[in-house]
Amino acid sequence: KAGVTQTPRYLIKTRGQQVTLSCSPISGHRSVSWYQQTPGQGLQFLFEYFSETQRNKGNFPGRFSGRQFSNSRSEMNVSTLELGDSALYLCASSLVGPGTAQRRTDTQYFGPGTRLTVL
Amino acid sequence: DAKTTQPPSMDCAEGRAANLPCNHSTISGNEYVYWYRQIHSQGPQYIIHGLKNNETNEMASLIITEDRKSSTLILPHATLRDTAVYYCIVRSSRGNYGQNFVFGPGTRLSVLP
Repeated sequence: KAGVTQTPRYLIKTRGQQVTLSCSPISGHRSVSWYQQTPGQGLQFLFEYFSETQRNKGNFPGRFSGRQFSNSRSEMNVSTLELGDSALYLCASSLVGPGTAQRRTDTQYFGPGTRLTVL
Repeated sequence: DAKTTQPPSMDCAEGRAANLPCNHSTISGNEYVYWYRQIHSQGPQYIIHGLKNNETNEMASLIITEDRKSSTLILPHATLRDTAVYYCIVRSSRGNYGQNFVFGPGTRLSVLP
């Protein structure tokens, strides 16, 4: 099976612009989670989508949003970019969503990430 | 949520076993211990997970103490390509994040030639 893919791999934007990142999960996986990784804050959870619905959300401002399509592919959007949004954005897919007993042993598989630089 | 404590860094000689410890003294009875690693600027890679019995796969072994308050990840024959940050995570079943992973700072393992 192909792994999790993310596009683009690298992106350079300027302050005030907006950006859309894309994630294709492993075939058959229905849950997609997004994480932000910075040197100062480490890996932080942004949100999770399952069955086209946001199921969990981390502590990020409303400028960060996402969506999931019927084929489980997901996009995240950051509006009004700030310098502090420069980070590695990671997507992870898993088979099941939250709220199920199987969740405890359901592994998340990560993509290679999108490196966003805001100038 | 159960939190984990790991040493910030460790060294290991190439070809020797790397033993990475993790403390999770507040773990609940139904919470699993997961290990991931992240090689520089790549996405985290799943290694192994377990509940209370020792687990082994092609990558590593996971030893969980009987009281489940700590665990050790063992890479039996470390190679230079095992140099990475290793994350020990207790998967919470409660809290605002539902059952997602909460990553700490991890252990930076350096495998030395």
